[in-house]
Amino acid sequence: DAGVTQSPTHLIKTRGQQVTLRCSPKSGHDTVSWYQQALGQGPQFIFQYYEEEERQRGNFPDRFSGHQFPNYSSELNVNALLLGDSALYLCASSRLDRNTGELFFGEGSRLTVL
Amino acid sequence: GDSVTQMEGPVTLSEEACLTINCTYTATGYPSLFWYVQYPGEGLQLLLKATKADDKGSNKGFEATYRKETTSFHLEKGSVQVSDSAVYFCALSGASGGYNKLIFGAGTRLAVHP
Repeated sequence: DAGVTQSPTHLIKTRGQQVTLRCSPKSGHDTVSWYQQALGQGPQFIFQYYEEEERQRGNFPDRFSGHQFPNYSSELNVNALLLGDSALYLCASSRLDRNTGELFFGEGSRLTVL
Repeated sequence: GDSVTQMEGPVTLSEEACLTINCTYTATGYPSLFWYVQYPGEGLQLLLKATKADDKGSNKGFEATYRKETTSFHLEKGSVQVSDSAVYFCALSGASGGYNKLIFGAGTRLAVHP
């Protein structure tokens, strides 16, 4: 049973560019959440997708957007990259009908903005 | 807003020493509380959880008790091993943000030496 998979694992961009990160949830999961983890910090909630719609959003600007596909996979897009966007981006999946708070995380995509 | 505060690291211990990592929270309502662990090169994974006051979560020799009166959820282990070296995150959900949205502390790095 594959867990949560993310791609790419590492990438380098320059300021002003745009990036797309991808996530496949654990088999049987229908909800995908994205978190940003800055160096030395805990993960911060960006947003959550269910049934291809954004259900909740954290305190992140509109430059951060996402999408969920019919197969439950998801993308995170960040436009007009800033140096401060450098971080580990984590995808987490869960089942909405099992509202326990237990999330399954991928290993993350490390973004460096130069 | 809801928040989690945990003791700063790094925590450095010898094998078989006792471990306590302090965690306190601020939340409206009745959150569930979690400890997640991030081993080197791996994704975040759930270590233990407690869903109501006075519940004790336990796993792999670790335990934590949900103390509503002190708004705390301290992580303890009686005898640590080198393999316990990791970053530990305290988290809450189910307060103002819904059960599948986690709010994390900053993390505490644990290094255990032989």
